[in-house]
Amino acid sequence: AQSVTQLDSQVPVFEEAPVELRCNYSSSVSVYLFWYVQYPNQGLQLLLKYLSGSTLVKGINGFEAEFNKSQTSFHLRKPSVHISDTAEYFCAVSNDYKLSFGAGTTVTVRA
Amino acid sequence: GAVVSQHPSWVICKSGTSVKIECRSLDFQATTMFWYRQFPKQSLMLMATSNEGSKATYEQGVEKDKFLINHASLTLSTLTVTSAHPEDSSFYICSARPGSSETIRDEQFFGPGTRLTVL
Repeated sequence: AQSVTQLDSQVPVFEEAPVELRCNYSSSVSVYLFWYVQYPNQGLQLLLKYLSGSTLVKGINGFEAEFNKSQTSFHLRKPSVHISDTAEYFCAVSNDYKLSFGAGTTVTVRA
Repeated sequence: GAVVSQHPSWVICKSGTSVKIECRSLDFQATTMFWYRQFPKQSLMLMATSNEGSKATYEQGVEKDKFLINHASLTLSTLTVTSAHPEDSSFYICSARPGSSETIRDEQFFGPGTRLTVL
């Protein structure tokens, strides 16, 4: 069984400031890790994914995440956010073709 | 590439009626499609996994007679909410997984969602 914990339910941040969204997972086997973004009343869009290889993963819209196996974490970061980054962010883990999602983190970017 | 569409994007129906939601992979063949349900301000909960040409596998607690899933082709899956009630009101999202490419293994492509409101 696998599970995902997103440690922050809401993250307010000022425009052009950095942001980090924390994600921890638990699994007894190797997993694949994903971050998705959801804008209001829309489906999910993949930001980035870790399948194997380099633990630092770069995604779209300037986001990156680092896989840390010893800490079972996959935190998402962006050095400078924009108003348009206001959205819901979901961390997800998969190892048997099923995705398990975290509860989500609401990011609100203020001017 | 890898676009998934859903139809309708929103639907309002009366209690007791049935509603069908379509999920299509537009530019790839999806051997597996997934149906999720999302309540306001909450995460996605997997309802069922459907494989083309076979019966869907439902998650624990999901009524298979109420949420009928058909995956008749490699590009189309449908979810029918039968005898809908107000508590079935939710945001339903489908996703599709390509079956052929190892480089995107385990990745799912999501549809835009369908907002169902049962009066």
